[in-house]
Amino acid sequence: SQTIHQWPATLVQPVGSPLSLECTVEGTSNPNLYWYRQAAGRGLQLLFYSVGIGQISSEVPQNLSASRPQDRQFILSSKKLLLSDSGFYLCAWSVPPDTQYFGPGTRLTVL
Amino acid sequence: GNSVTQMEGPVTLSEEAFLTINCTYTATGYPSLFWYVQYPGEGLQLLLKATKADDKGSNKGFEATYRKETTSFHLEKGSVQVSDSAVYFCARSPRTGNQFYFGTGTSLTVIP
Repeated sequence: SQTIHQWPATLVQPVGSPLSLECTVEGTSNPNLYWYRQAAGRGLQLLFYSVGIGQISSEVPQNLSASRPQDRQFILSSKKLLLSDSGFYLCAWSVPPDTQYFGPGTRLTVL
Repeated sequence: GNSVTQMEGPVTLSEEAFLTINCTYTATGYPSLFWYVQYPGEGLQLLLKATKADDKGSNKGFEATYRKETTSFHLEKGSVQVSDSAVYFCARSPRTGNQFYFGTGTSLTVIP
């Protein structure tokens, strides 16, 4: 069966510090991978998606970036965090055109 | 355009009450439709789905029917429990491309 992992589960970072969030998927090959952000009490905002290694599409201009160094690994990064980067970050995978499955999320607080 | 519109919350119900959360979609073609549930502090979990018109998805007492004529996929449950308190998201798959479309979420609180 397929599983998706995200880490860390929670993170508190100062403004201006770097960020690296990791997502890995097991039990499937060549999935589409997605990063979403969810502000407190709000809906989902798609940040990036990837259809293959090294292929990244950005949906929203921001100071975040994403990379996919391996088939089942998706990384969200920032060189300098802003207060507005605080939120709940969700990774998801799908094998098109079917269902999207989500990881447990990372709670990021920028102080 | 291609979007999903769902009922604004929050919704507060007493235990054993009937639940309906409305969801409508716009799309060219026939996307798959989904309901996801998010418990506090967790990721989204797939609750149910339907892949073609007149399909009924069901799980844990929840049901939703894919209505092509009204472009709707309303979520229903006959008798809610306190443990159903969560945020519910309606979503549709991409027909082309890779982006899924989500509603804004409806927060449900069930009180004893």
